[in-house]
Amino acid sequence: AQKVTQAQTEISVVEKEDVTLDCVYETRDTTYYLFWYKQPPSGELVFLIRRNSFDEQNEISGRYSWNFQKSTSSFNFTITASQVVDSAVYFCALRSDTGRRALTFGSGTRLQVQP
Amino acid sequence: GAGVSQSPSNKVTEKGKDVELRCDPISGHTALYWYRQSLGQGLEFLIYFQGNSAPDKSGLPSDRFSAERTGGSVSTLTIQRTQQEDSAVYLCASSIWTVNPSGANVLTFGAGSRLTVL
Repeated sequence: AQKVTQAQTEISVVEKEDVTLDCVYETRDTTYYLFWYKQPPSGELVFLIRRNSFDEQNEISGRYSWNFQKSTSSFNFTITASQVVDSAVYFCALRSDTGRRALTFGSGTRLQVQP
Repeated sequence: GAGVSQSPSNKVTEKGKDVELRCDPISGHTALYWYRQSLGQGLEFLIYFQGNSAPDKSGLPSDRFSAERTGGSVSTLTIQRTQQEDSAVYLCASSIWTVNPSGANVLTFGAGSRLTVL
């Protein structure tokens, strides 16, 4: 069985603060893929990143960075110097190489960035 | 098309009526997925298609829900005898399909169909 847990339901920060969104996953597979999606107020999910289980190198893209740690089954997402436009619901998702071919999503973290 | 297109964007119906939700995936995307998002909740998997066949229907909540896909393109999700608990946003996504184990394909989502059952 696969499971994704995003324990933070809602986070509120002030603009320019750094914020980390937590994601913990469960899978019995050795090969799997992790994703982050952003859902802005407009509603349409936007893909942010995909990582393979055999590549633990962390990634940075502008103000966004991702910390993948297999030892703790976590794939955390950090936004540096947050901006109001970062306000959205962020979803972490998992897909294993066996079993269900669709993504299993966490319940999401709502991020509010106050000006 | 350029993106995943869903219709209608909004549907209000009375309890007990049937509804059909349509999804037009990105051209060339052979995999198609349906998810449901209830208010303030995460995404609940319903069904996915590989071509016209549905290898995994395990997420459909009851036999009132069905989906089909024809011509490897457009998909229709049908909810019969709607109930108030069916109220949600129904999201469709598509992706290319590959058996290449080196990567899982990225899903591109549509804007969703918001269903309200009165």
